[in-house]
Amino acid sequence: DVVLTQTPPTLSATIGQSVSISCRSSQSLLDSDGDTYLNWLLQRPGQSPQLLIYSVSNLESGVPNRFSGSGSETDFTLKISGVEAEDLGVYYCMQATHAPFTFGSGTKLEIK
Amino acid sequence: EVQLVETGGGLVQPGRSLKLSCVASGFTFNNYWMSWTRQAPGKGLEWVASITNSGGSTYYPDSVKGRFTISRDNAQNTLYLQMNSLRSEDTATYYCTRWSIRGFDYWGQGVMVTVSS
Repeated sequence: DVVLTQTPPTLSATIGQSVSISCRSSQSLLDSDGDTYLNWLLQRPGQSPQLLIYSVSNLESGVPNRFSGSGSETDFTLKISGVEAEDLGVYYCMQATHAPFTFGSGTKLEIK
Repeated sequence: EVQLVETGGGLVQPGRSLKLSCVASGFTFNNYWMSWTRQAPGKGLEWVASITNSGGSTYYPDSVKGRFTISRDNAQNTLYLQMNSLRSEDTATYYCTRWSIRGFDYWGQGVMVTVSS
């Protein structure tokens, strides 16, 4: 199974600060169809997860453009340019290139 | 507005069965693959099962293969998860998720399943 390693496990940020979360895969996530099925999700406290970024760098509809994704093959990054209070929660990367689909262990973002 | 509403959770003894349902609305259900994903208390996310839009093919991780069965009724816009031979490690919140070309793009509110004697 593909293992996704997220770092850091916790992140503390002030409002307006820019932060990055890393997701490293044990295998390349480049699919034979040319796409890379690496997504980022946010789970706010007490809520269901929501999709933020799909296929590495595509912003889901309705998601603020302070969120951005980058990377390729095995190394991926989620960046928040100017954290806002509503961004607190746990961020997960997820891969759907290889079955079984797997998730990272999560990065908890706290607001100072 | 896309809505996914799960029901059927509860407390069940180890070795027993439980069936979850998810009623979908706000989109053309039979155009989309669907999935179940779960989250043990205080833990991360785990993919549990997926099904094609026609219901003709299903997919599972080894942790539930042979015990869980995903199915759908496109006429009723409903997704199901039949869970047999339940174990304590199956205790989790189970989410119904829509699977589009963008990934798991919509999630239900979740339903809690507790396996305990």
